[in-house]
Amino acid sequence: AQSVTQPDIHITVSEGASLELRCNYSYGATPYLFWYVQSPGQGLQLLLKYFSGDTLVQGIKGFEAEFKRSQSSFNLRKPSVHWSDAAEYFCAVGAWNQAGTALIFGKGTTLSVSS
Amino acid sequence: DTAVSQTPKYLVTQMGNDKSIKCEQNLGHDTMYWYKQDSKKFLKIMFSYNNKELIINETVPNRFSPKSPDKAHLNLHINSLELGDSAVYFCASSHGLAGEITDTQYFGPGTRLTVL
Repeated sequence: AQSVTQPDIHITVSEGASLELRCNYSYGATPYLFWYVQSPGQGLQLLLKYFSGDTLVQGIKGFEAEFKRSQSSFNLRKPSVHWSDAAEYFCAVGAWNQAGTALIFGKGTTLSVSS
Repeated sequence: DTAVSQTPKYLVTQMGNDKSIKCEQNLGHDTMYWYKQDSKKFLKIMFSYNNKELIINETVPNRFSPKSPDKAHLNLHINSLELGDSAVYFCASSHGLAGEITDTQYFGPGTRLTVL
């Protein structure tokens, strides 16, 4: 069955420091991978997505993610975190089910930014 | 303009009541979705709707029913509300058919339902 694991429930990073959020997926075929961000009290916003091609994907707000098939990972990175990046981050895989497609989400990682 | 909007933003109600959450998208998308986010922030698909046809119906109770009066709207009706229905419900939409796995889904701001 398809699944997404985000090993880190909560991460705290100092403002200006680099960030890496981990995501591992389980999917039999070529995965379609997404990172979404949820700011407090807000809906989800797409940061970036990977379907094929270059394994390093650039997204909005200075985020990037690298797809590593050998490790079944799609980790999100940012070289310098800003206080406004504090939010909930969700990794997801686009998966087929019996009737169509759906996003299968991980349980999310809460990012706190300290000054 | 808000791309995907939901009303109400907050909904507090008693057990046993029937309630509806409305969703509208002005993106011209073909497919709309409902997701449930539980108290641990876990997001799970409930329904996917395309061209007024239910495409995905995950294992949700029959008390939940999506209603789509037109392509731009997908409302969620919940009958006989239970305590366990308390959650944040997100509406989303995407451009193509539900089979287009690569389509970006655009989410609404969510509706926080509290059942007392």
